Amino acid sequence: DAGVTQSPTHLIKTRGQQVTLRCSPKSGHDTVSWYQQALGQGPQFIFQYYEEEERQRGNFPDRFSGHQFPNYSSELNVNALLLGDSALYLCASSHGWGPSYEQYFGPGTRLTVT
Amino acid sequence: QKEVEQNSGPLSVPEGAIASLNCTYSDRVSQSFFWYRQYSGKSPELIMSIYSNGDKEDGRFTAQLNKASQYVSLLIRDSQPSDSATYLCAATGNQFYFGTGTSLTVIP
Repeated sequence: DAGVTQSPTHLIKTRGQQVTLRCSPKSGHDTVSWYQQALGQGPQFIFQYYEEEERQRGNFPDRFSGHQFPNYSSELNVNALLLGDSALYLCASSHGWGPSYEQYFGPGTRLTVT
Repeated sequence: QKEVEQNSGPLSVPEGAIASLNCTYSDRVSQSFFWYRQYSGKSPELIMSIYSNGDKEDGRFTAQLNKASQYVSLLIRDSQPSDSATYLCAATGNQFYFGTGTSLTVIP
């Protein structure tokens, strides 16, 4: 049973650049959520995608955008990178969307902005 | 008040003891509650979910939810050194909210 996968594992970018992170959900799941986790903090919810639409969004600026594809995989795009965007970016998948469904996390992408 | 609050710890218990982890939440979250375990350098792993008042048991883990007092707790019985990790409480409202986590160390 394939779990949630993310790519790349690590990424180093320069301030002002743009980055795209990718996620494939667990087999049988159709909903993908993205989180940002700074060191020593809990994950912060960015947004959730279901049926190729953004269904819920956290308190993140428009520099953070996403997309979901027909095969349920997803991308997170961050424009105009800031030093403060350095964090672990986590993708989580669930079967169904909304607040009651259990989410399973991928291994994450460690983004460093210099 | 933050939506989900946890004591950051660290919490230390001897091997074989019961570890008790607590989480309080605000009025902005009220629907579903989850406990995750996160080892250093790894991503969170789901331990269990709880949706209604009372206790829910799964192996050595018991989650307790008290909506009147707005707290949810996780008990780990017969704690093992492999349980040493950060435990994250999560809750849902109009979005998903995580606490900052409680660091647990089980001493052999």
